Amino acid sequence: GESVGLHLPTLSVQEGDNSIINCAYSNSASDYFIWYKQESGKGPQFIIDIRSNMDKRQGQRVTVLLNKTVKHLSLQIAATQPGDSAVYFCADRGTGRRALTFGSGTRLQVQP
Amino acid sequence: ETGVTQTPRHLVMGMTNKKSLKCEQHLGHNAMYWYKQSAKKPLELMFVYSLEERVENNSVPSRFSPECPNSSHLFLHLHTLQPEDSALYLCASSPGQGAYEQYFGPGTRLTVT
Repeated sequence: GESVGLHLPTLSVQEGDNSIINCAYSNSASDYFIWYKQESGKGPQFIIDIRSNMDKRQGQRVTVLLNKTVKHLSLQIAATQPGDSAVYFCADRGTGRRALTFGSGTRLQVQP
Repeated sequence: ETGVTQTPRHLVMGMTNKKSLKCEQHLGHNAMYWYKQSAKKPLELMFVYSLEERVENNSVPSRFSPECPNSSHLFLHLHTLQPEDSALYLCASSPGQGAYEQYFGPGTRLTVT
């Protein structure tokens, strides 16, 4: 599942710090947003999602923030661990569409 | 990863070969998807099936032929591929056609020589 060769933005953080991964989307009609984590050699794994009628949603150690005014989505990971090292993708679904549109991803590197 | 399985995990094929990728979901979902993930592009949707009916074909070349015999199985038949088709092919499923939360398989790493 690695995106070898794709120039991905990289975020490097120290273990224990909080991480913030950002995503911009273009479709103002999108009504659903989702974050995936993809580790090397694996398929994308669901982390958290949010609908457009919300601006914040929390999970276990993760929080997603949605700012529809500027079409911006962020994923916050609290107390980042080495196991969080992966590529993170955001995706959105336009109203009435059948499938998700994925961003190119951000690589998170956690330094021990 | 046991929810959606894909076989084979790795495949090397020549341009004149014919091969098939298999996906099986054990989640009771009604919709299944094929995506292509290549080194230079974001995840690209190829096909969407809902209740075994193809509902979306995202301008995919005819050398890729999907088949969905039932809601648990999805195939991607490959023939006369090109080297640029080398990529990771991901299968996903979701509870319905609305394409909310999708669950992905581990992918098949395809190399066309």
